[in-house]
Amino acid sequence: DARVTQTPRHKVTEMGQEVTMRCQPILGHNTVFWYRQTMMQGLELLAYFRNRAPLDDSGMPKDRFSAEMPDATLATLKIQPSEPRDSAVYFCASGLEDGTEAFFGQGTRLTVV
Amino acid sequence: SQQGEEDPQALSIQEGENATMNCSYKTSINNLQWYRQNSGRGLVHLILIRSNEREKHSGRLRVTLDTSKKSSSLLITASRAADTASYFCATVSGSARQLTFGSGTQLTVLP
Repeated sequence: DARVTQTPRHKVTEMGQEVTMRCQPILGHNTVFWYRQTMMQGLELLAYFRNRAPLDDSGMPKDRFSAEMPDATLATLKIQPSEPRDSAVYFCASGLEDGTEAFFGQGTRLTVV
Repeated sequence: SQQGEEDPQALSIQEGENATMNCSYKTSINNLQWYRQNSGRGLVHLILIRSNEREKHSGRLRVTLDTSKKSSSLLITASRAADTASYFCATVSGSARQLTFGSGTQLTVLP
């Protein structure tokens, strides 16, 4: 059963702490997206990768956010230091470079208090 | 930033009625896709229409695309209570195939 796996599903942390979210894309997919979803802003594209190389991370606050793909089976999104305004659901999605269907994980619900 | 805006933001209909959602976007596209999101879940792909296509069907779904107006519509026929969800359009654009989502329509189908 091919699916995108995100961990953790929920995270509550105190302001100033580092948060790391992980994503395992579907085997064989070479494109990985990170999105943030809030009621106010909707679904924002933070960054995306192709063949593990970052293509665009202009949607990501560079001073505190970083995204990497250490290998083809793992993508990470880090926030350091976290702030209450970072509270949101963070989604990872994977797909092929032809721009067809993207498969989403279940998301990480982050609460920064 | 978001590529598209969807209209209406919220739609409430009776079971059996048809639901129509509209999406407008800003730049040229490779294709346009529609996704569904149930509360608290990830998004699920519904249908894709390429920039050289004007209409596409899949089961109870019908999608139209007007590239001259930079707009698309999703029609769900004979709606069911289980269709209650948020529906998003997404555009794929550029050589890098960036996938950008609209603001979504919250559909409620009343039994």
